[in-house]
Amino acid sequence: GIQVEQSPPDLILQEGANSTLRCNFSDSVNNLQWFHQNPWGQLINLFYIPSGTKQNGRLSATTVATERYSLLYISSSQTTDSGVYFCAGDPSGGGFKTIFGAGTRLFVKA
Amino acid sequence: SAVISQKPSRDICQRGTSLTIQCQVDSQVTMMFWYRQQPGQSLTLIATANQGSEATYESGFVIDKFPISRPNLTFSTLTVSNMSPEDSSIYLCSGGVGGLNEQFFGPGTRLTVL
Repeated sequence: GIQVEQSPPDLILQEGANSTLRCNFSDSVNNLQWFHQNPWGQLINLFYIPSGTKQNGRLSATTVATERYSLLYISSSQTTDSGVYFCAGDPSGGGFKTIFGAGTRLFVKA
Repeated sequence: SAVISQKPSRDICQRGTSLTIQCQVDSQVTMMFWYRQQPGQSLTLIATANQGSEATYESGFVIDKFPISRPNLTFSTLTVSNMSPEDSSIYLCSGGVGGLNEQFFGPGTRLTVL
């Protein structure tokens, strides 16, 4: 089946720093999304981004579908950005069988 | 976005018993899914809840262990049957909006089996 690789697996930032998280897919996917799971376990939608670039405040995301990867940019990080960031997508031609990456665990220090 | 609610939010259960988790979504949702997140792990899709018919299970998950109902468009239940400590996980319900399957998640049910 399709493989989803996220990097880095763990990341520690000083408050105010910028970072880039990456998500690679072994095959084409539809409906690519980025989520943030906060320390209380709630999964929060960040971006629905099957292709192109979107921005929402300090966060932005870019998906290059032809090269099967997506990037999540966090600028001026804050302690509230801490948690786990997941990317997920549905295999092309396979219906809605969403596959999640292993996640990037982010800790932002004050 | 879509509003997804789940209950219970957490439970501690004894081995061999069963727990039914409820999920309520708002009317924007067309697809409903159930996921499991084992401690420290990512999310794994258990099944797609189909309205008025049997759920579609992913490899490794069976109806006898995880019976799912979806009697109408906005409500679904997942039962974790004959529980063992290995079933201790967070169980999450999600709703897919429109035909594009942009998913929104409920707050999850944190299950501990003793």
